[in-house]
Amino acid sequence: EVQLVESGGGLLQAGGSLRLSCAASGFTFGSSDMSWVRQAPGKGLEAVSVMSGSGDLIYYTDSVKGRFTISRDNSKNTLYLQMNSLRVEDTAVYYCAKDYYVQHWGQGTLVTVSS
Amino acid sequence: DIVMTQSPLSLPVTLGQPASISCRSSQTFVYSDGDTYLIWLHQRPGQSPRRLMFKVSNRDSGVPDRFSGSGSGTDFTLKISRVEAEDVGVYYCMQATHWPHTFGQGTKLEIK
Repeated sequence: EVQLVESGGGLLQAGGSLRLSCAASGFTFGSSDMSWVRQAPGKGLEAVSVMSGSGDLIYYTDSVKGRFTISRDNSKNTLYLQMNSLRVEDTAVYYCAKDYYVQHWGQGTLVTVSS
Repeated sequence: DIVMTQSPLSLPVTLGQPASISCRSSQTFVYSDGDTYLIWLHQRPGQSPRRLMFKVSNRDSGVPDRFSGSGSGTDFTLKISRVEAEDVGVYYCMQATHWPHTFGQGTKLEIK
């Protein structure tokens, strides 16, 4: 069974940093592209970043370029999202999802950025 | 960016009746492999999204066959042949062909 478990969310002030983790199991993580998707409170879904299984292909949505960094440790079956210079508008539940086509989702982790 | 527009945004349905959600894109999005990566998701209140359909009309494992997807070009539809209580929540379409992957605004299905 595919499982994705996000962690690392929390409450912090604007300008701060946070690293999210997504622990994966139940599939061959190293061969799988991965996605981060976020959902602001009461709002819709927004694709934040994707990374190929090998790590050589990475995309970011424009609003996080230069501030967020996606990475992975295939030896630990874990995906990361390093978030720096956080803004109030980054407040959201952050989900990791298996592959570019979001076949499976984690339960999400809430990031709250206050002013 | 490709803009995905859903309608209606609110969909009250009587149990056992059909339902249909439209998703229109601002441009076509056929990948170089010839496939159109149009995805439908369902999010129940308080839960993570769950993928229902991929590549327009392919149902994911465990998705009841009362759900069907169709369409091509810039016009796509998700249909539920007979709505059940567990179908409540928000439905999203998503294109995953071109970055940034983009979502529709969501359609909230409720039982009348």
